[in-house]
Amino acid sequence: KQEVTQIPAALSVPEGENLVLNCSFTDSAIYNLQWFRQDPGKGLTSLLLIQSSQREQTSGRLNASLDKSSGRSTLYIAASQPGDSATYLCAGITQGGSEKLVFGKGTKLTVNP
Amino acid sequence: DTAVSQTPKYLVTQMGNDKSIKCEQNLGHDTMYWYKQDSKKFLKIMFSYNNKELIINETVPNRFSPKSPDKAHLNLHINSLELGDSAVYFCASSQWDRVTNEKLFFGSGTQLSVL
Repeated sequence: KQEVTQIPAALSVPEGENLVLNCSFTDSAIYNLQWFRQDPGKGLTSLLLIQSSQREQTSGRLNASLDKSSGRSTLYIAASQPGDSATYLCAGITQGGSEKLVFGKGTKLTVNP
Repeated sequence: DTAVSQTPKYLVTQMGNDKSIKCEQNLGHDTMYWYKQDSKKFLKIMFSYNNKELIINETVPNRFSPKSPDKAHLNLHINSLELGDSAVYFCASSQWDRVTNEKLFFGSGTQLSVL
């Protein structure tokens, strides 16, 4: 059974810092992976999608990478801003498994002005 | 324009009641989903439909019955509500019948509280 762990559970940083959020899967055969952002009282917004043939994706100040051999992914946020404060969730689909996204519990990020 | 919209946003009800949550997407997607986020913040899939056909039913109690009148709508009906049903329910959609290569778009959630 696929399980997803996100470390740290919470992170508080001063504005301007670069930071890394981590995600790991018990089953490393990840077919594709998505990083989402969830704001309080709102739904999830897809940030980056790493498809089966890719190793990383970049969007603005965000960069996500996936190491399929270890089943680990990182989300790098450059020059963090207070508006980045939210909970970040990773989710993946296991190769050869059912076509369901399995989510981590998320990392709650607070960027202080 | 809201891409995936669900109503109501909040739902407070008594144990034993029957309630429905509605979801609509205007993205032209083929596939829609219901996810449940429990108090521990885990998001788990409940159902997915592709072009009105059920493709994933994730061992959800049969008190939960999804209904898809067309591919733009996926409603969730819950019978005989129990305390443990309290959670936030999210609707989502994606382009194909496989999530594999397409992003998932989520609604803003329905917070269900069963008293």
